[in-house]
Amino acid sequence: QVKLQQSGAELVKPGASVKLSCKTSGYTFSTSYMSWFKQIPGQSIEWIGMIYAGDGGTGYNQKFKGKATLTVDTSSSTAYMDLSSLTTEDSAVYFCARTPNWYFDFWGPGTMVTVSS
Amino acid sequence: DTVLTQSPALAVSPGERVTISCRASESVSTLMHWYQQKPGQQPTLLIYLASNLESGVPARFSGSGSGTDFTLTIDPVEADDTATYYCQQSWNELTFGSGTKLEIK
Repeated sequence: QVKLQQSGAELVKPGASVKLSCKTSGYTFSTSYMSWFKQIPGQSIEWIGMIYAGDGGTGYNQKFKGKATLTVDTSSSTAYMDLSSLTTEDSAVYFCARTPNWYFDFWGPGTMVTVSS
Repeated sequence: DTVLTQSPALAVSPGERVTISCRASESVSTLMHWYQQKPGQQPTLLIYLASNLESGVPARFSGSGSGTDFTLTIDPVEADDTATYYCQQSWNELTFGSGTKLEIK
């Protein structure tokens, strides 16, 4: 069965960076797309960007260009998202989700990122 | 970006039929998808491409619409359907509606 496991909660200081992971199993990761999302508790969901595991090609929401960098490691079937120059506005839950056709059929449980001094 | 507008909240009794609407600011053809999110959990896919039921989702859920107006229907509603429901379009960029919080009385 398809599973997406995300890394644990992060508490980071303003100005720092953080790297989140999404380890997959149960399907062929190397020929799939993965998307990442931001959700502030109580608010809607924002799409950050997408990566194709086959060649590492990426597409980003303009709002998150320069903030998020998506990468993959096909040897471990894991997707990563780097978030840089963090501010309190980046405090949120971040999800990964498999993206078969510009919609999202399996989601990870999310990683809470708290930016605080 | 395409803006998706949803009514903020609905309250219905178990066994009733409920329709949740989503209006797009421009035509998205049938590139509309629906998700359910329970508190503290990740979203789950219910309907893709406007009317296709995702595998494993109960047949009580159905979707319809095209262009700018879309509907998610739950019939009959059960207590476990308490959640926030989001529409998402894939016509351009990828955007979500603000969500409709469904309360079961």
